Amino acid sequence: AQKITQTQPGMFVQEKEAVTLDCTYDTSDPSYGLFWYKQPSSGEMIFLIYQGSYDQQNATEGRYSLNFQKARKSANLVISASQLGDSAMYFCAMREDSNTGNQFYFGTGTSLTVIP
Amino acid sequence: NAGVTQTPKFRILKIGQSMTLQCTQDMNHNYMYWYRQDPGMGLKLIYYSVGAGITDKGEVPNGYNVSRSTTEDFPLRLELAAPSQTSVYFCASQGQETQYFGPGTRLLVL
Repeated sequence: AQKITQTQPGMFVQEKEAVTLDCTYDTSDPSYGLFWYKQPSSGEMIFLIYQGSYDQQNATEGRYSLNFQKARKSANLVISASQLGDSAMYFCAMREDSNTGNQFYFGTGTSLTVIP
Repeated sequence: NAGVTQTPKFRILKIGQSMTLQCTQDMNHNYMYWYRQDPGMGLKLIYYSVGAGITDKGEVPNGYNVSRSTTEDFPLRLELAAPSQTSVYFCASQGQETQYFGPGTRLLVL
């Protein structure tokens, strides 16, 4: 089974609108972390937001918020007030925590295009 | 501030050649990671390290080796390059909750 599933290969959003990028995960570990990264066409990986499995509140970082629904095992990224510079690939990732260290798993990504 | 640096930026290898991808971080992080990203795909974990002298396999370790003699450096070794190892390689180090990525190394095996 896939550890991280991103079902939207491509998304379009009008500038200044909000957009939700979907992510579901699969783990039986009680302790884990969920991440979103942005990868522009230049290729670098940029950290956006983090949610720990024990965090009670949804994480927010500026225009980014993570809609964490633990029972559904989903960790959707919400980008508010989209900007042209938000056009990029977005990857959801999960870190499984264990006594010996971490394993990281990435989804296949969602390509977001912001339309002027 | 340098963060995570990787060298080289780009390399072409012939089948069967070997090389070492270098990764250095200056943030005193214990956790470091090597990933590969194939075209149109997400990242896959090759190896990781939780501190100097300690390494462990990720999801796709075959064909690679790593060492961690210092906190700062985490080199990745390809012993017998194969066309299937054509990819972009990212090194990362982990702070409290965040992974900081290097700029990547693009490797082409012909």
